[in-house]
Amino acid sequence: DTGVSQDPRHKITKRGQNVTFRCDPISEHNRLYWYRQTLGQGPEFLTYFQNEAQLEKSRLLSNRFSAERPKGSFSTLEIQRTEQGDSAMYLCASSSPTPSTEAFFGQGTRLTVV
Amino acid sequence: AQSVTQLGSHVSVSEGALVLLRCNYSSSVPPYLFWYVQYPNQGLQLLLKYTSAATLVKGINGFEAEFKKSETSFHLTKPSAHMSDAAEYFCAVSVNSGYSTLTFGKGTMLLVSP
Repeated sequence: DTGVSQDPRHKITKRGQNVTFRCDPISEHNRLYWYRQTLGQGPEFLTYFQNEAQLEKSRLLSNRFSAERPKGSFSTLEIQRTEQGDSAMYLCASSSPTPSTEAFFGQGTRLTVV
Repeated sequence: AQSVTQLGSHVSVSEGALVLLRCNYSSSVPPYLFWYVQYPNQGLQLLLKYTSAATLVKGINGFEAEFKKSETSFHLTKPSAHMSDAAEYFCAVSVNSGYSTLTFGKGTMLLVSP
């Protein structure tokens, strides 16, 4: 296992379309996080899973956004009715269940809404 | 709630010069502090972390940071800059040892000139 994997790396979509991103965490990590990073800003927390349970959601996660982690392994992030303001880099991270708080990040999915 | 302030959106140094990137945090409880580096169109890579052990933390690529509680600071330093250090650097804070939802600063772009 070489790290957190995200797919696709780039996505261009028209405003109003739905998009879905996938994240495969490091295999032994039970914690999975989604962050969003806009140009010139640091990443902002969106949501957190422990195994298949979604334990925390940021208020940034509007009702157009939904995240799942059905079997406690990979996760998907769906954005419905995309808006230009959704254009950003979406980063996934995972961490182990040990006391270490280190999160390992994937390379991200860059979304452009035109 | 916790927050991070990174002073200076851009820092320019010459190759071989000292690198100093500033980070101040705000937290109501003892924090966990991190520095991440991001290369263009890539995810974030952990440089180093402070988790209440030694206040001087050594990381990868010759970087180190010192936790100063009295100054609420966690500045990143490197004695001698290399061209390959040119990237964006993010300071982050977490206040929960059980999982690692991170609050990031806005980042500092390090520019290294020959």
